[in-house]
Amino acid sequence: RKEVEQDPGPFNVPEGATVAFNCTYSNSASQSFFWYRQDCRKEPKLLMSVYSSGNEDGRFTAQLNRASQYISLLIRDSKLSDSATYLCVVILNSGGYQKVTFGTGTKLQVIP
Amino acid sequence: DVKVTQSSRYLVKRTGEKVFLECVQDMDHENMFWYRQDPGLGLRLIYFSYDVKMKEKGDIPEGYSVSREKKERFSLILESASTSQTSMYLCASSSPSGGGTEAFFGQGTRLTVV
Repeated sequence: RKEVEQDPGPFNVPEGATVAFNCTYSNSASQSFFWYRQDCRKEPKLLMSVYSSGNEDGRFTAQLNRASQYISLLIRDSKLSDSATYLCVVILNSGGYQKVTFGTGTKLQVIP
Repeated sequence: DVKVTQSSRYLVKRTGEKVFLECVQDMDHENMFWYRQDPGLGLRLIYFSYDVKMKEKGDIPEGYSVSREKKERFSLILESASTSQTSMYLCASSSPSGGGTEAFFGQGTRLTVV
């Protein structure tokens, strides 16, 4: 089983739609979780952290479910500019160092 | 402004050549990582380092080695380049303080092995 798994998509949604991505992780000892965004031919950049209590940043909501070992990202009122690949990131702290594992990414295409 | 710099944006090398990819960060981060990114496979961890002269294998270390002689520099070495190593290579750094922090990426090196 992969350490971090995502549906690769693509998700093709109309402008204004709500879309959700899930990401599952296999190591229950994982401690930190993030969503990154990667535009075509660019490096990944941090979108938002994911907290146990859930967190919101404008149209974006991130959730963590430790019992089921998944994180989610909800995008409301999709904009054309949201088109990108969204990568979930799981961090495991072990012996004083971090192992940072990325999912394969979910491609989102917002259509006019 | 934080910065992770990779030495080349594009490289073309011949099969069998020894290839060095350099990465430098100016944030005094302890952790540094090398990934490769391929269509449909996403980002895969090759090696990472949590301290000077320390290194750990990631998920796909075969055919690669690394060097971390100074805190700010993490080098990826392809001992004998093969066409299967044609890929986008991304370097990242992070700090373990606070239990997990943002990883910053370089702009990537697109390597073609012919």
